[in-house]
Amino acid sequence: AQSVAQPEDQVNVAEGNPLTVKCTYSVSGNPYLFWYVQYPNRGLQFLLKYITGDNLVKGSYGFEAEFNKSQTSFHLKKPSALVSDSALYFCAVRAPSTSGTYKYIFGTGTRLKVLA
Amino acid sequence: DARVTQTPRHKVTEMGQEVTMRCQPILGHNTVFWYRQTMMQGLELLAYFRNRAPLDDSGMPKDRFSAEMPDATLATLKIQPSEPRDSAVYFCASGYSSGTGNAGELFFGEGSRLTVL
Repeated sequence: AQSVAQPEDQVNVAEGNPLTVKCTYSVSGNPYLFWYVQYPNRGLQFLLKYITGDNLVKGSYGFEAEFNKSQTSFHLKKPSALVSDSALYFCAVRAPSTSGTYKYIFGTGTRLKVLA
Repeated sequence: DARVTQTPRHKVTEMGQEVTMRCQPILGHNTVFWYRQTMMQGLELLAYFRNRAPLDDSGMPKDRFSAEMPDATLATLKIQPSEPRDSAVYFCASGYSSGTGNAGELFFGEGSRLTVL
């Protein structure tokens, strides 16, 4: 079954410290992986994606993610957290659909809280 | 900036009433997705369209929900009759797919917050 798992409901980190938000996936074929961020009362905003190539992907706002095929993981990282990074983060995977095309499956989300 | 526009942003209605939510995808995008977000279930895919054709609505309760794309600039999600358990935030997202494996990111609207009393 195609799925995305975000094992942590919440991650707390002190401002200035590095942060990691975890994501693992299960999908047939080559995985296309995405990270989105959601601020309160807003829609999801795209941060970065992995399609192919370099396992370390850089995205918006200083975020990056590392694709690890053997561990089927795509963890989101940032070297130095800001209070303004506090938000809800979603990992997503493109998965084959029953209609023969593709759909996007989202994880349950991880709430990141950066403490001043 | 190009953006996905959803209306209404907020809707409060009574059980049994019809609710229609509208979405204007970004010009040039050929895929449209409807998601529902609740605290308990997270983001659930309800339906999606490519080139205005419905491709997958397996996540949508068929007895009361319907989704259409009358034209390339408008997608609608209708609930009739509405029930309290339909209370959620409904998101529309659009993107571009070439159909040969292109995996572009999705652009989300701000959502329609529905409360059914």
